[in-house]
Amino acid sequence: GAGVSQSPRYKVAKRGQDVALRCDPISGHVSLFWYQQALGQGPEFLTYFQNEAQLDKSGLPSDRFFAERPEGSVSTLKIQRTQQEDSAVYLCASSPRLAGSYEQYFGPGTRLTVT
Amino acid sequence: AQSVTQLDSQVPVFEEAPVELRCNYSSSVSVYLFWYVQYPNQGLQLLLKYLSGSTLVKGINGFEAEFNKSQTSFHLRKPSVHISDTAEYFCAVGSDSWGKLQFGAGTQVVVTP
Repeated sequence: GAGVSQSPRYKVAKRGQDVALRCDPISGHVSLFWYQQALGQGPEFLTYFQNEAQLDKSGLPSDRFFAERPEGSVSTLKIQRTQQEDSAVYLCASSPRLAGSYEQYFGPGTRLTVT
Repeated sequence: AQSVTQLDSQVPVFEEAPVELRCNYSSSVSVYLFWYVQYPNQGLQLLLKYLSGSTLVKGINGFEAEFNKSQTSFHLRKPSVHISDTAEYFCAVGSDSWGKLQFGAGTQVVVTP
């Protein structure tokens, strides 16, 4: 079956541009996570959705980062006025379970390069 | 607060030799522990997890890990590696109610013939 997909796979943005990164979770998965993985580092938590509700956004690094999941399926991570330090791979993961489960399925990621 | 430390950034190993990847964690609450593998240009794939019960956990592809509470460690082992095991390996800990994970910096395993 289809796994988690992300698009685009690669994105190059000039400093100051806005970008939108899309995540298509596995159908029926209620939980969705976004992680940021800088070069040479492990993924770091950004935000968590349970259906359409954003229950935890404690990892978003600044107010330039915004995530939504309006219908409880597809999610978009938006970064406004991109900066060089935003260059990273952005990973999306979905889970069929509600809170308390760690059964996460990861997408291939979007590699964002800010020039 | 919790943290995860992977003690080796890169581990070279010969094919068919054993490998051990070290992971230490710190947490003030009960933890759940995981090992993920990441192949080039791919997402993370779960190798194994410790939630409770037996401290020796067996995972996919012949990997196993042992949870040691007194040493706050969760080292990953494989008795005989293949070329296809060349990848980056991440240790992770989860302890909140939502299921979010905190990852270590990763260990790059390079298997050579």
